[in-house]
Amino acid sequence: DVKVTQSSRYLVKRTGEKVFLECVQDMDHENMFWYRQDPGLGLRLIYFSYDVKMKEKGDIPEGYSVSREKKERFSLILESASTNQTSMYLCASSPLFRGVDGYTFGSGTRLTVV
Amino acid sequence: DAKTTQPPSMDCAEGRAANLPCNHSTISGNEYVYWYRQIHSQGPQYIIHGLKNNETNEMASLIITEDRKSSTLILPHATLRDTAVYYCIVSLTGTNAGKSTFGDGTTLTVKP
Repeated sequence: DVKVTQSSRYLVKRTGEKVFLECVQDMDHENMFWYRQDPGLGLRLIYFSYDVKMKEKGDIPEGYSVSREKKERFSLILESASTNQTSMYLCASSPLFRGVDGYTFGSGTRLTVV
Repeated sequence: DAKTTQPPSMDCAEGRAANLPCNHSTISGNEYVYWYRQIHSQGPQYIIHGLKNNETNEMASLIITEDRKSSTLILPHATLRDTAVYYCIVSLTGTNAGKSTFGDGTTLTVKP
């Protein structure tokens, strides 16, 4: 079964910490995405990537950075975590020439910043 | 991407058809309508998509109005396991899909 795996299901971090959220896919997909999900706000795109070492800003990139050193892995980095970054984070991947129907999502990481 | 509007919540009786509406009045001619659902504690899962013709698969049917300004997702015989948040997304396909916006969705509760 194809999978997008997010390294942690739940994470608690302190304000000011550097936080790494990891996402790995085993489908050889070119596209990878990071979203955050908050009640009443739906899913909002943070960053996405079409290829290794390539990244583009989504709708809410402030306070985040990403890294894609290998095709299968896309990391979301919170340089200095703040309480307003407490949220559910979802990673997704898709083949390069597929539309939204080709997205496969991970199960999410619920991050709490205290 | 065009913006979509969905009711925040709906109820449906088990075994009955669930009809979930979506308005997308600013949709452009080459944008598709996609539906996803998210069951609690899981990531969103693709259901169906279409451009202008009605579509059906093993999970659901999609009815798109002739002017393409609205659509309806139909779950013909809803079960308790269909309780989820349903997202309607309008987006280009292929390499232009890029980033796509998932709004708030509709929380469907199927009741016994």
